[in-house]
Amino acid sequence: DIQMTQSPSSLSASVGDRVTITCRASQGISNSLNWYQQKPGKAPKLLIYDASNLETGVPSRFSGGGSGTDFTFTISSLQPEDIATYYCQQYHNVPRTFGPGTKVDLK
Amino acid sequence: QVQLVESGGGLVKPGGSLKLSCAASGFTFSDYYMSWIRQAPGKGLEWVSYITKDGTDTKYADSVKGRFTISRDKANNSLYLQMNSLGAEDTAVYYCVRGYMHHRCWGQGTLVTVSS
Repeated sequence: DIQMTQSPSSLSASVGDRVTITCRASQGISNSLNWYQQKPGKAPKLLIYDASNLETGVPSRFSGGGSGTDFTFTISSLQPEDIATYYCQQYHNVPRTFGPGTKVDLK
Repeated sequence: QVQLVESGGGLVKPGGSLKLSCAASGFTFSDYYMSWIRQAPGKGLEWVSYITKDGTDTKYADSVKGRFTISRDKANNSLYLQMNSLGAEDTAVYYCVRGYMHHRCWGQGTLVTVSS
């Protein structure tokens, strides 16, 4: 199975800050990576697919990059509505696997 | 609009069974693979299973293989998850999800609690 790790596990940032989350796969997954946002009590929402493609309707302050084993997710200017937990997920192999999540809150 | 509505969750005793359903609407159900993804209380996301468009192939997480069965009904635009030999580790919100790579559409989830 491909193991996904994320760092940090949590972070506190101010409105307007640039926030970056990293995700690492235990083996190469090409660009087969999604990023999701999940708010408490809600289903996850797809933000980025194929590692760097912005899902339709998602604000452009969100971006993703990377390939192979190392990936990044960036919020260029943190907004109050971005407070959530963010997960990466690989779909290169079965079983699909998720990272443990990064909780983002306001400083 | 795309809608996925899960049902069938509830409290079940260890060793028991439960069948989850997901009613799909707003899209051509038979055009999409479908998946189940779960989330234990306060924990992260765990992929459970997916099924091909025509239902001829299925994949499972090792944690549920041999106990859970995913199926679909084209006539009723419905996805199912039959869960047997349930244990406390299966307590989670179960989400019905469209697709098997890019999970764009999720249901609201149904809570399954395994407890005596």
